[in-house]
Amino acid sequence: NAGVTQTPKFQVLKTGQSMTLQCAQDMNHNSMYWYRQDPGMGLRLIYYSASEGTTDKGEVPNGYNVSRLNKREFSLRLESAAPSQTSVYFCASKISGGITDTQYFGPGTRLTVL
Amino acid sequence: GNSVTQMEGPVTLSEEAFLTINCTYTATGYPSLFWYVQYPGEGLQLLLKATKADDKGSNKGFEATYRKETTSFHLEKGSVQVSDSAVYFCALSSTTDSWGKLQFGAGTQVVVTP
Repeated sequence: NAGVTQTPKFQVLKTGQSMTLQCAQDMNHNSMYWYRQDPGMGLRLIYYSASEGTTDKGEVPNGYNVSRLNKREFSLRLESAAPSQTSVYFCASKISGGITDTQYFGPGTRLTVL
Repeated sequence: GNSVTQMEGPVTLSEEAFLTINCTYTATGYPSLFWYVQYPGEGLQLLLKATKADDKGSNKGFEATYRKETTSFHLEKGSVQVSDSAVYFCALSSTTDSWGKLQFGAGTQVVVTP
């Protein structure tokens, strides 16, 4: 049981390049989330998927797109990377949208945009 | 909107000292409250949670009590070890937020020296 996995672990992009961050969970969770972590700001929600086939914007969605490929996988795409998107990105999942449920986090992807 | 405020770090302690990290929140209704811990180079993992007023969450010697009257969820540990060095995040989940998303505080870095 690997939990939540993310690839890649590290990535360096040039401004304007595109890339996709991959996330998968093997816990049969319905809900999945993408957060970014910046110094002094905690984690902020980019997009979430309540269940397979649905996606919605979070707090900071501009410059990103997502795809819920199936129940296990939830990818985050940067179409034209900008230096402001330099951050650590975390994927998370939970069994449902209930407020008492625990979210489980992946190890993160550290992205640098030059 | 909902928000979480936690004390700024870094907090530097000697081994076996008492640790307190203050966390206060603003939320409508009855949120669930969480403490997550992030060890160096890793993702976040749940440390403890409390889902209703006066509940006490506990794990690995850490404790926090959900105080609705003071809107607080302070984290405490009686005797810290070097292995407790990490960043600690207070978070809440509310029915007024998107599908169980977590609202995080900025995080408090704790450094424990031998």
